[in-house]
Amino acid sequence: EVQLVESGGGLVQPGRSLRLSCVGSGFTFEDHGMQWVRQAPGKGLQWVSGISWNSGIIGYGDSVKGRFTVSRDNAKNSLYLQMDSLRAEDTALYYCAKDISVRATNYYAMDVWGQGTTVTVSS
Amino acid sequence: ETVLTQSPATLSLSPGERATLSCRASQTINNYLAWYQQKPGQVPRLLIYDASKRATGVPARFSGSGSGTDFTLTISSLEPEDFAVYYCQQRTYWPPTCTFGQGTKLEI
Repeated sequence: EVQLVESGGGLVQPGRSLRLSCVGSGFTFEDHGMQWVRQAPGKGLQWVSGISWNSGIIGYGDSVKGRFTVSRDNAKNSLYLQMDSLRAEDTALYYCAKDISVRATNYYAMDVWGQGTTVTVSS
Repeated sequence: ETVLTQSPATLSLSPGERATLSCRASQTINNYLAWYQQKPGQVPRLLIYDASKRATGVPARFSGSGSGTDFTLTISSLEPEDFAVYYCQQRTYWPPTCTFGQGTKLEI
């Protein structure tokens, strides 16, 4: 079964840091781009970050650029999101998702999603 | 940044009817357009990618069309399980970013 499992969420004070992790199984993790998408309570989907299969292409949404850092360890089938200088508006359910394409030069459509991990930024 | 505008915000229809959802991009996006369905309490599900290709397991009543800046998701005959929120998503080659539309809620 193809599966993504996120972890690392929690309650954190504004200005502090948090690191999210996502472990993939049931597919060849190293062949696929990966992305982070978040959803604030009662709101729509917001793209956060993406990383190509070989980490050659990395991108960020405007609202997190300069504060968040995405990385991956293909040997561990793992994706990470380092979140620094957190703000109240970063409060959301964070999903990791697998790109549909194999060894693509970019990332795009997401065909497998994890259940998400909740990040709450509050004093 | 490419902005995606979905319309209408809410669409009220009945089972058996045809649904037409629109997604307009602020600039040409070369058909890198995907559609997702999200039901309450569930994770998003990929329906369509490359504007018109159905993802694995997606029923044939779902179809995507369009090019350039104007795209459409059509559900030919609504089933009760189709009532959900639908999002479009695009990717920009450089900078390598993606954006989502604000969503269309399809309700009974």
